[in-house]
Amino acid sequence: QKEVEQNSGPLSVPEGAIASLNCTYSDRGSQSFFWYRQYSGKSPELIMFIYSNGDKEDGRFTAQLNKASQYVSLLIRDSQPSDSATYLCAVNERGGSEKLVFGKGTKLTVNP
Amino acid sequence: DAGVIQSPRHEVTEMGQEVTLRCKPISGHDYLFWYRQTMMRGLELLIYFNNNVPIDDSGMPEDRFSAKMPNASFSTLKIQPSEPRDSAVYFCASSLAPQGKLFFGSGTQLSVL
Repeated sequence: QKEVEQNSGPLSVPEGAIASLNCTYSDRGSQSFFWYRQYSGKSPELIMFIYSNGDKEDGRFTAQLNKASQYVSLLIRDSQPSDSATYLCAVNERGGSEKLVFGKGTKLTVNP
Repeated sequence: DAGVIQSPRHEVTEMGQEVTLRCKPISGHDYLFWYRQTMMRGLELLIYFNNNVPIDDSGMPEDRFSAKMPNASFSTLKIQPSEPRDSAVYFCASSLAPQGKLFFGSGTQLSVL
């Protein structure tokens, strides 16, 4: 069974701080990595994806990938109360499959 | 586009009854996924379709679960007979290659008493 592990949190940061969310995965053949945000009672929505080692930035969000360590992270700069949500890491299965395996998520709270 | 549309939003039923969940994917998307979410197990993939054909149903928990996609704009997930342990939020999602960029519906909150 392919596994994606996340610290369940909750992670609490003050407004304006950097929030760091981490994820490890077990399948070395995985090629695509995603971060979804899920507000309480809502459905997941895609916020970042990364395919290559290194960093990818989009506004206040930065995704980081290290395939050798099988590690993916999401940094949120200048955190806002509206960023309070559960963040789900998702990884595709080996071979470029469309099948995504999700972690259980990290709940982030940004305190005003 | 209205996004992925699921119905019903909430379903309360008694153990042993048949439950049918419905999904309309985003027009033009060629992949459709059914996920189940619980606190204990997180988001689990049940089955997915490509161009209306089931590709992987290894996540379907038991023979009580079945899914169909008769055309590009409609899919159903059926549970017969339902059990209390089936209580969860069921999400439908669709995507257009490249992989992984899923668009989720609002989900169906299923409660089996």
